[in-house]
Amino acid sequence: GQQLNQSPQSMFIQEGEDVSMNCTSSSIFNTWLWYKQDPGEGPVLLIALYKAGELTSNGRLTAQFGITRKDSFLNISASIPSDVGIYFCAGRETSYDKVIFGPGTSLSVIP
Amino acid sequence: SAVISQKPSRDICQRGTSLTIQCQVDSQVTMMFWYRQQPGQSLTLIATANQGSEATYESGFVIDKFPISRPNLTFSTLTVSNMSPEDSSIYLCSVEVRDNYGYTFGSGTRLTVV
Repeated sequence: GQQLNQSPQSMFIQEGEDVSMNCTSSSIFNTWLWYKQDPGEGPVLLIALYKAGELTSNGRLTAQFGITRKDSFLNISASIPSDVGIYFCAGRETSYDKVIFGPGTSLSVIP
Repeated sequence: SAVISQKPSRDICQRGTSLTIQCQVDSQVTMMFWYRQQPGQSLTLIATANQGSEATYESGFVIDKFPISRPNLTFSTLTVSNMSPEDSSIYLCSVEVRDNYGYTFGSGTRLTVV
């Protein structure tokens, strides 16, 4: 079945540093989604991507839909303490498929 | 985007009992989903809640264990039946407001079975 891999599994960075994480799939996707989950909360959608090569920003966050349609990355610039959380990539093969989630990247920001 | 209210937000239950989780959306939505997030894990889809018909369950999840109701386009319930400690998880309701936009999640129900 479909499977997503995320790397790194966890990150510890200094406040102000840039962050990069990525996600790969075993099959071609037509939609990539990036979510952030804070403790005790449900995931919140950060960025949605719909076209191969698409580069989309949301404030300090930038995500790209890989050309091969089997990968995506998320960058966070100038990290701040409230960036702490778990970042999940998610996606689906077609508009009619369920969305599946990657295992997540845990981000810790050291003030 | 839609606002989702889930109740209860957390509960501690005795094994062998059942718990019904409610999900209320502030607007009519076509697609509603129930996810499970086991401790330290990612999200796994349990089922799609279909309005007016039986839910569509994913592999590994069955109706007898996780009965779902969807009486209208703004409300759904998930029951966790005959609970065991292995059912201790966060259960999340999710909706898709418009096609292919991505899912909005409720804040979840944190269930502990003792």
